[in-house]
Amino acid sequence: QQQVKQSPQSLIVQKGGISIINCAYENTAFDYFPWYQQFPGKGPALLIAIRPDVSEKKEGRFTISFNKSAKQFSLHIMDSQPGDSATYFCAASMNYGQNFVFGPGTRLSVLP
Amino acid sequence: GAVVSQHPSWVICKSGTSVKIECRSLDFQATTMFWYRQFPKQSLMLMATSNEGSKATYEQGVEKDKFLINHASLTLSTLTVTSAHPEDSSFYICSARDPGRTSDEQFFGPGTRLTVL
Repeated sequence: QQQVKQSPQSLIVQKGGISIINCAYENTAFDYFPWYQQFPGKGPALLIAIRPDVSEKKEGRFTISFNKSAKQFSLHIMDSQPGDSATYFCAASMNYGQNFVFGPGTRLSVLP
Repeated sequence: GAVVSQHPSWVICKSGTSVKIECRSLDFQATTMFWYRQFPKQSLMLMATSNEGSKATYEQGVEKDKFLINHASLTLSTLTVTSAHPEDSSFYICSARDPGRTSDEQFFGPGTRLTVL
């Protein structure tokens, strides 16, 4: 119940294309769903986050879509750039940011 | 704001020795910090929750006697890997919440690469 599933494991996109990464969870007690970007040898950095009372949130080229009934959420990266090449982790937490659970990650490669 | 630092950024040690990793919140006070371990091409796995002034809470399967956590102040938590072995080689990352913010965001440090020979 604490698991967060994430797909695909890896993704290759052409420059300018749309990158889509999907996550699913089981525990309905989760109330905070962030996406993190991690470059090799660095710590994760928050990209964007959403709460279950909102179905979509957009910040620049990044959009989270949230489907509460399906217990799924996804990250869309519009106009993908080579600089977006990194590993992306979805996560879920509850209890005011406690109990963070990370998905297994998606390695994104954006071809120039 | 909300910057978390770690020191050292990388360390190489011999098998059987102990290594201390520091995690500092630079511009906020963190009553709670979190320690994660990340193996190559894998996700972050929570090891323990570090509470200022009290004992750390360890996740199932994490040896508390091997991974000693001390949260001595509101801005510093340390992780000591005792009697390190090659299988302890990993990327160790800490994080903290800023209680002054309404967001549930955790701010992550840059990580420490540990290599045990």
